[in-house]
Amino acid sequence: KNEVEQSPQNLTAQEGEFITINCSYSVGISALHWLQQHPGGGIVSLFMLSSGKKKHGRLIATINIQEKHSSLHITASHPRDSAVYICAVPLYNTDKLIFGTGTRLQVFP
Amino acid sequence: ETGVTQTPRHLVMGMTNKKSLKCEQHLGHNAMYWYKQSAKKPLELMFVYSLEERVENNSVPSRFSPECPNSSHLFLHLHTLQPEDSALYLCASSQGPYETQYFGPGTRLLVL
Repeated sequence: KNEVEQSPQNLTAQEGEFITINCSYSVGISALHWLQQHPGGGIVSLFMLSSGKKKHGRLIATINIQEKHSSLHITASHPRDSAVYICAVPLYNTDKLIFGTGTRLQVFP
Repeated sequence: ETGVTQTPRHLVMGMTNKKSLKCEQHLGHNAMYWYKQSAKKPLELMFVYSLEERVENNSVPSRFSPECPNSSHLFLHLHTLQPEDSALYLCASSQGPYETQYFGPGTRLLVL
């Protein structure tokens, strides 16, 4: 069992749909990262959060530390949101990040 | 130039070649990382440097040799690689353990 698990692994949506990607982890953490990887490999950091909720444009990330669960939501999805979304958690007190396998999202017009 | 840069972006090499990957960060960060991303597998941490000292090596084969001459530059020296080493190699940097890691665009490596 991976220490960080994401669901679903693959997700397709029509433009405009509300998207939810889930991340569950089994290790103790201080914060959780959501990353976006575009085709070709470039990775962009979306959020780092340790409690509650953060919002940036159409993206919303929530975390429940007690339940060891985080969700990434995309409102009014657009084809340019098509990418792999990766959840990652740092091992407590280290620089080391443990990554989930990612969720591949495709949004069709 | 800002952010994290990596060169080359693509590399094809034979199993007997010696090559180096370069990473440079312009963010003033103290920690730098090498990751390997193989198809359909999570990102794997290879090496961590903090303040130019290697603090973690996740049992990486010796055919991969990192070098961190200063806090802005990180190299990954490659020699006698195997075809299964073909992957995307990503460099990242961060200010510290609780800070966001910023990734470079990656080097896509193909070993023939």
